Parts: sequence; C-alpha cells; structure tokens
Amino acid sequence: DTGVSQDPRHKITKRGQNVTFRCDPISEHNRLYWYRQTLGQGPEFLTYFQNEAQLEKSRLLSDRFSAERPKGSFSTLEIQRTEQGDSAMYLCASSLVGTGIYEQYFGPGTRLTVT
Amino acid sequence: AQSVTQPDIHITVSEGASLELRCNYSYGATPYLFWYVQSPGQGLQLLLKYFSGDTLVQGIKGFEAEFKRSQSSFNLRKPSVHWSDAAEYFCAVSPPNTGNQFYFGTGTSLTVIP
Repeated sequence: DTGVSQDPRHKITKRGQNVTFRCDPISEHNRLYWYRQTLGQGPEFLTYFQNEAQLEKSRLLSDRFSAERPKGSFSTLEIQRTEQGDSAMYLCASSLVGTGIYEQYFGPGTRLTVT
Repeated sequence: AQSVTQPDIHITVSEGASLELRCNYSYGATPYLFWYVQSPGQGLQLLLKYFSGDTLVQGIKGFEAEFKRSQSSFNLRKPSVHWSDAAEYFCAVSPPNTGNQFYFGTGTSLTVIP
C-alpha cells in the first residue's frame, strides 16, 4: 500500500491556460474524491467516482472544471481557462466502500498558482 | 443550513498541557464524524472516527473524541500535548445518504509552546 499519490505537487500557470492534475488512489479502493482547499479553509468537496462512474458533479465549481476516471483507477481533474481565483490546493482522496461508511485517505495535494 | 463549525481558529497550549478542540455540526440526522490532522506540506491524516456505539472513541497519537448527540458536538481531546502535535486540525462529517461525501470545518491551528 503506497497511499494516495498526486502529480504534480506544484503547478504554476498563467491565467487562461488549461491545467490537468492526476490522482492515483490506493489500489483496491473503489471510490475517489476531489476536493479544493483554499488558504484558511477546510477542504471543499468537488466530485467523486465509484469505479469509473462519476456519481456527483454538481458541486464542481464551474463548467471549466471537469474530472475523469476512465478505467476506474487513476483520475484526472482538468481546469480550463484558469483564473486567479482557481489558485488553491487540490486534494484527492480514496476509500473502499462496501456496505458501510469508510474513512477517506488523502493524498498530499497539488498546489495550483495562477498568475 | 447544514454546517460544520470549529469555533476556535487558533489555539496555543504549553507542551504537556491538556487540549480540547471543539467541533459542532448541524445536520438533520447524526452524521458519521471524523477528525483529521494536517501538517505543513503533508496530506490529511485520519486521527479517529465515530460511526456508532460507544460515544468516546480512541484514535492515534493519544487523541480521543467524545460524541454528544444532545449538543451536536464531537470534541477532540488529548491529555498531554507534545510539540509534534502542532498542526492544523479538521473536523469532518459525512451525512447519511450522501455517498460518503465529507464536509469539513474551517480548521483549528494548534501552536505548542515549549
């Protein structure tokens, strides 16, 4: 078990550019979550997948945000036409969900800076 | 409105002193409850969780938390704080029937004085 990994750890981009982040969950975990964390705040839920199905995406911040998990393993979060307000830490988490509620295991995050 | 409140933005304690971090929630049904810790440059680490049963739960690093239904609270405690406990602490709730979505409080930053 190598934990949840995220790549890159840091990303600096210019306003208007597109960025894509990758998350590799713990291998046997079937659920994967994306959060955004801004300075001085707790993580804010964005979206989640069960296997390859995206079960909730209404809380993505705008239509510039999209996420995929094409084979039910790793996931990508894309932000198109970035804005300075998108600067934040983007966290990924995974869990193994069967018949009950399970804790989420978090990756180290990708820190995005939009200049 | 549904919410998770951590009323203390920042707490400073002396090493060896006791610690209590407060968390209150407002949801229609009792959610599942968690405490996470975040050190600078690190991901969130689970300290403990409450699903049901005994309202006093033990976690890692000597932490414990008590669920009080009447007060809608889930306060985190530690009898004797170590300098390495300095970090940001987040309370999280997962309401039932939300697909295990987590809602986090704004966090409490802990400073430990030698």
